Order: sequence, then structure tokens, then C-alpha cells
Amino acid sequence: DSGVTQTPKHLITATGQRVTLRCSPRSGDLSVYWYQQSLDQGLQFLIQYYNGEERAKGNILERFSAQQFPDLHSELNLSSLELGDSALYFCASSVMKGNGYTFGSGTRLTVV
Amino acid sequence: AQTVTQSQPEMSVQEAETVTLSCTYDTSESDYYLFWYKQPPSRQMILVIRQEAYKQQNATENRFSVNFQKAAKSFSLKISDSQLGDAAMYFCAYRSALNTGTASKLTFGTGTRLQVTL
Repeated sequence: DSGVTQTPKHLITATGQRVTLRCSPRSGDLSVYWYQQSLDQGLQFLIQYYNGEERAKGNILERFSAQQFPDLHSELNLSSLELGDSALYFCASSVMKGNGYTFGSGTRLTVV
Repeated sequence: AQTVTQSQPEMSVQEAETVTLSCTYDTSESDYYLFWYKQPPSRQMILVIRQEAYKQQNATENRFSVNFQKAAKSFSLKISDSQLGDAAMYFCAYRSALNTGTASKLTFGTGTRLQVTL
């Protein structure tokens, strides 16, 4: 157990639908990062939150949004889903001024 | 923007042998961190080893060690006494030492799939 909790582990949904992925960071970590890993691809940075505020955006589609709540858990919302959104979505947390990242086990999203 | 390149899509090593995975990166920064992550079939991302750019000494973690060549922007991973459990996808990653904007994100290479044979 890495200390970063992601739910659900698997999600199957239809095109056009909306889903929410949840992440609870490791205790004490203020930063949460979301990454997308498509089949046999590297990890693409989507967005970062630090202590409730959006800190940086990467290659995140306008159909996707995220937020971090006062208890530091984060949610990634994916809407108007397309087949190409099928991927493994990782959440990672870190201490802001540190340099170690701890990853959750990921949510595998399948859009049919 | 920083880029990370892993030029070996696949590598194979026999059990108990040594293998080296290559990684090069491009950056204009002088202070940064480099990482190797392992992704086994379970898809969990596991930190293997990290290197701080301002430290000349190469990092080691048990059977894993790196060869960090800052001037050449090279960061290779050496796995000694390879074990079946080492079979996985290995990703090299870069992180700036800055904490502003997107600087603190990890930039990953495309990975090297390591096969371990008997």
C-alpha cells in the first residue's frame, strides 16, 4: 500500500457519459497530480493541485476538470467521454518542496 | 520544455545477469531531479531510485544503481543480479527543482520493457 488511495479501480462506461475519479493523497502530502496513461504509452501530466488550489495544468482536455477539497482529497471529472479517453488514470501525491512522488494504483477507465 | 528519451523499447536479461537501461534528457536547468520508476504487470508505479542533479555521486539502492552523466544529460539504470520479479516496464522521469507553474510535474520517457529469462 503506497498510502495514495484511488477509487474506483476499474470503471466501464459508455460514450457521452460523465465519470468521477477519486484520489486521497498520502498523509501529510499537500500536492496532488493527475496523470493519464494510454495503452502502452508513457504518462501524460494532466493537472496539479496544491493545498486546495490549482497549481499547474498540462495536456488536460476542456472536457476534463478537477478539484481538491479541504481534506486534500481530489477528484478528476471526465465528461462527454469518447473511446479515446480509455486509459489508466493515476493520481500521485508529494510534499510540495520535496522531490518524491507516491503513486496510487490507478483507475482503469474503459469507454465503450 | 524538458524532454526525456528512452531509446530502448524492449530489453531482455537472463536471471542473475546485469542489464543497463538508457535514458537521456534535455533541459536548460542546472538543478533538477531524475527518477526511475518501475511498472510491473499490476500497473502500480513504483519508485526505484532517484538522483539529485547537484550531487555528483551516483545513487544506489540495493541491486539498482545509476550512472548519472550531467554534462552528457544521461541517466542510465543498472540492475545487477536480475531477478524474475524485475520484469516490468521501466520509466525514466525528470523533475525540475523549481516549484512554480508546471515545473514540479514529472516528465516521463516512453519506457523500456524489461524481460527476465531463466
